[in-house]
Amino acid sequence: TQLLEQSPQFLSIQEGENLTVYCNSSSVFSSLQWYRQEPGEGPVLLVTVVTGGEVKKLKRLTFQFGDARKDSSLHITAAQPGDTGLYLCARPRGGAGNMLTFGGGTRLMVKP
Amino acid sequence: SAVISQKPSRDICQRGTSLTIQCQVDSQVTMMFWYRQQPGQSLTLIATANQGSEATYESGFVIDKFPISRPNLTFSTLTVSNMSPEDSSIYLCGAEENTEAFFGQGTRLTVV
Repeated sequence: TQLLEQSPQFLSIQEGENLTVYCNSSSVFSSLQWYRQEPGEGPVLLVTVVTGGEVKKLKRLTFQFGDARKDSSLHITAAQPGDTGLYLCARPRGGAGNMLTFGGGTRLMVKP
Repeated sequence: SAVISQKPSRDICQRGTSLTIQCQVDSQVTMMFWYRQQPGQSLTLIATANQGSEATYESGFVIDKFPISRPNLTFSTLTVSNMSPEDSSIYLCGAEENTEAFFGQGTRLTVV
């Protein structure tokens, strides 16, 4: 099993602070996705990265795919309480379809 | 994007009984899948379900315990059979559309 390791597992910060979440593996991925899940809801796709070194921005969120396509990071600038949730990285399992293997998740709490 | 409705949203069940979870997609999709998520933790794939064929189960999950139906391209069910407290979890259905995965809001199951 090609595991995805996320760190930190839990992060509690004050509104306005910056943070970075990491997703690492020993394997090379064809692509990697980041999801956010709020309580009582299913995960929602934030971004897909496919090219080594790729950087994508989504408002205050910056996603980076490592040059070797083995790792990724999510950086949030000036975090808001609305950013609170479970952040999951995921990679395709391979084969038909797009079933995903998820990382362990980072639970973020942003306090006002 | 596909919209997925899942029901029930939550249930409390007696041990030894069975619960069937329904998943409806607002568009026709080839592949649907079911995940389990312990509260606050990541997602574990149970099985994938294509219309017209038997579901494909991941290691640790068997058809007798988690029978799945996929009668058409917009609907699937997952049954949790002969439940025990260890089956208490969140069950999420999902579907793939245009290489993106979409999820229902989940069913929070508590077995007492």
